[in-house]
Amino acid sequence: NAGVTQTPKFRVLKTGQSMTLLCAQDMNHEYMYWYRQDPGMGLRLIHYSVGEGTTAKGEVPDGYNVSRLKKQNFLLGLESAAPSQTSVYFCASGLANTGELFFGEGSRLTVL
Amino acid sequence: RKEVEQDPGPFNVPEGATVAFNCTYSNSASQSFFWYRQDCRKEPKLLMSVYSSGNEDGRFTAQLNRASQYISLLIRDSKLSDSATYLCVVSQAGTALIFGKGTTLSVSS
Repeated sequence: NAGVTQTPKFRVLKTGQSMTLLCAQDMNHEYMYWYRQDPGMGLRLIHYSVGEGTTAKGEVPDGYNVSRLKKQNFLLGLESAAPSQTSVYFCASGLANTGELFFGEGSRLTVL
Repeated sequence: RKEVEQDPGPFNVPEGATVAFNCTYSNSASQSFFWYRQDCRKEPKLLMSVYSSGNEDGRFTAQLNRASQYISLLIRDSKLSDSATYLCVVSQAGTALIFGKGTTLSVSS
């Protein structure tokens, strides 16, 4: 059972480049989330989606865009990467109101 | 004030010790509470939900005090495998989960 799969797992970008992180879940979850985790900062919510075709901003949305065209996929885009976006990105999915999120293994992004 | 606050630690304890972590939350409308565990360089995983009456899962006990907006996690008879970061998590109805920064536990032999 794959659960939540993130690709790529590692990426190095130069400032100004663009990229997309893909998150796929096979659990038929309605809710999907993108978090970033930085040392001393904990997990911070970037964007989330409560269903196919919907997205909402989280705590730190600036510099990121998302799309949820299919229920099983949640894409996170960086249009013009900045060094401040160097981080570990976690995707998660879950059922509404249960509080249990299932996380992917993380994507480590370095922006030079 | 951060919505969810935890003592970052680290807590360094010997095997067999009892250790307690505390967490406070600022939004009185918070309805759901959880503890997640995160191993080094791994993804977070749900450890246990926290119920108003308190709940226990083996060596782990979670307590909630709504009046003081305070959540606790007690680990008895610590094992080496308990070494991890413990994340306090809070949510209001219909909103995304808010994670604390985590408390690091190191259990030594």
